[in-house]
Amino acid sequence: EADIYQTPRYLVIGTGKKITLECSQTMGHDKMYWYQQDPGMELHLIHYSYGVNSTEKGDLSSESTVSRIRTEHFPLTLESARPSHTSQYLCASSESLSHTDTQYFGPGTRLTVL
Amino acid sequence: QQPVQSPQAVILREGEDAVINCSSSKALYSVHWYRQKHGEAPVFLMILLKGGEQKGHDKISASFNEKKQQSSLYLTASQLSYSGTYFCGTEYWPGGGNKLTFGTGTQLKVEL
Repeated sequence: EADIYQTPRYLVIGTGKKITLECSQTMGHDKMYWYQQDPGMELHLIHYSYGVNSTEKGDLSSESTVSRIRTEHFPLTLESARPSHTSQYLCASSESLSHTDTQYFGPGTRLTVL
Repeated sequence: QQPVQSPQAVILREGEDAVINCSSSKALYSVHWYRQKHGEAPVFLMILLKGGEQKGHDKISASFNEKKQQSSLYLTASQLSYSGTYFCGTEYWPGGGNKLTFGTGTQLKVEL
């Protein structure tokens, strides 16, 4: 069973605010990912990391930024939230670079920007 | 380009079978299948690799046709718990990094 946590689970915030979505995993996984998913739609990769001090942008352009200072922690930050950022954000991790490694997903953060 | 899944949605009676397809326009290295229930995180079902290796669920089977760049997920004797949205995640050849592009999703509903 995977142990990957996201906080907050739900966030309603006004336009222009700075927000940080937290993601932590206790499995010691090297690789971590952030996906954006609108209701009923597919997942889009917005950021990923191969390990500490490694971050890359995903396929979907995003105004968010990420950092990876510790193996277990991969926070996502929006400097100035806008209504277009309203979505669900899912964090995931996998053990290594092997192609057979499962990605384990956190419960997600539902963000609403008013 | 993201893979295309078909059908977009399907409704089954409990006990019926279903096939969900995932097609890519680019050469594939691996295909990962996930199921997501409403309001929940995606849950891993199956990984299929170029060359035939598989790793996954013992009640769900899948195939990977390298020539057609397509994978199919077979759900047999469906149960109510199979309801949800199924996503395929593809890693393109030559692969590397376990970076997935997810498909458009197939909504499956199993009724009594």
